[in-house]
Amino acid sequence: ETGVTQTPRHLVMGMTNKKSLKCEQHLGHNAMYWYKQSAKKPLELMFVYSLEERVENNSVPSRFSPECPNSSHLFLHLHTLQPEDSALYLCASSQDSRAIYNEQFFGPGTRLTVL
Amino acid sequence: LAKTTQPISMDSYEGQEVNITCSHNNIATNDYITWYQQFPSQGPRFIIQGYKTKVTNEVASLFIPADRKSSTLSLPRVSLSDTAVYYCLVANTGRRALTFGSGTRLQVQP
Repeated sequence: ETGVTQTPRHLVMGMTNKKSLKCEQHLGHNAMYWYKQSAKKPLELMFVYSLEERVENNSVPSRFSPECPNSSHLFLHLHTLQPEDSALYLCASSQDSRAIYNEQFFGPGTRLTVL
Repeated sequence: LAKTTQPISMDSYEGQEVNITCSHNNIATNDYITWYQQFPSQGPRFIIQGYKTKVTNEVASLFIPADRKSSTLSLPRVSLSDTAVYYCLVANTGRRALTFGSGTRLQVQP
């Protein structure tokens, strides 16, 4: 138990569906992150959220839309995904995003399958 | 971004010391080096972090030479439960960028 929870753990969706992934951290951290982990590829940082700002990887398609209503909750809204978006989506948190190298605490991930 | 290169896999036996080396030739002055461990169906877990020379904690040591173009994670006396994928991470705070390596799959045999 890392203090970071993710729901759902598994999700199967069609390309026309709209779904959301949820992440919650109970560590009092100020920064939260979304990562994508595809088979045989390195972890890819998608978005960084902190109290001050959002930082995103410019290569992330617009069909992924993050939302961070407060410092404890993070969502990833999904719409019109493609089969190649099937992957493990990991949420993480850390004390301060300005020191991005600080220890990050990862959730268990959501295994997403796009049909 | 500093690109990292690690061996794809390594095999070891229980009780042995395991050293995993990561190359990061383009590391920047303000980059830190961090290692994570990942088990199947779990998120990565922080192991150790360093900037230069040697860092040691209760589970591992991290060796970083003066030029910082590589780093070596050392796991003393591995056990079966150390079977996992180990990631080398170079983090650049200035540009809010992270570069994970492809990971090294360590298999520990009895």
